[in-house]
Amino acid sequence: GAVVSQHPSWVICKSGTSVKIECRSLDFQATTMFWYRQFPKQSLMLMATSNEGSKATYEQGVEKDKFLINHASLTLSTLTVTSAHPEDSSFYICSANAATSFSTDTQYFGPGTRLTVL
Amino acid sequence: KQEVTQIPAALSVPEGENLVLNCSFTDSAIYNLQWFRQDPGKGLTSLLLIQSSQREQTSGRLNASLDKSSGRSTLYIAASQPGDSATYLCAVWNQGGSEKLVFGKGTKLTVNP
Repeated sequence: GAVVSQHPSWVICKSGTSVKIECRSLDFQATTMFWYRQFPKQSLMLMATSNEGSKATYEQGVEKDKFLINHASLTLSTLTVTSAHPEDSSFYICSANAATSFSTDTQYFGPGTRLTVL
Repeated sequence: KQEVTQIPAALSVPEGENLVLNCSFTDSAIYNLQWFRQDPGKGLTSLLLIQSSQREQTSGRLNASLDKSSGRSTLYIAASQPGDSATYLCAVWNQGGSEKLVFGKGTKLTVNP
């Protein structure tokens, strides 16, 4: 149980295009999902907290107009990188915890999406 | 601002050896501390979660300790195996202010057969 999937697992796009990444909780409902970014040999950095049915909360320094987050249902959150540039190339990972638990409880992480912007 | 540091950055050991990975954090106001495993190009697998009121947690060959007052945690791996090769990440759930999971950069472990 407690499986989180991401789609796609990797994507290559041209500079200036937009890319959508999906995060799904497969066997549980997630009120809150989290989006992280990981650069090579660096820590995972929280980008935003996605709440079902409301606006996402972005971390300082993360452009909300560039990284659009939608959490339309209890099992799906999407991250859209708009007008992607090479510096947006990174590994994007989502996580979720069960709607019945506290947000500080164990989070289940997706397998990540490798984005390469040419 | 919470900062999490992991030492060493990389570690290579022969199979069968017992080893210790270290994690330190600057702000002791945390809800919990978690250890994760990350394989190359993959997501994270949760290994152990220690609540702030606890001192240690064990799962199989893994034992994690927490000394909240000194801002330290250790992950002990007994009888290491080649399959244990991965990057191990330590993270603390920050309490108060910006409540979020703050990660260290990880320790890359290689267990040689």
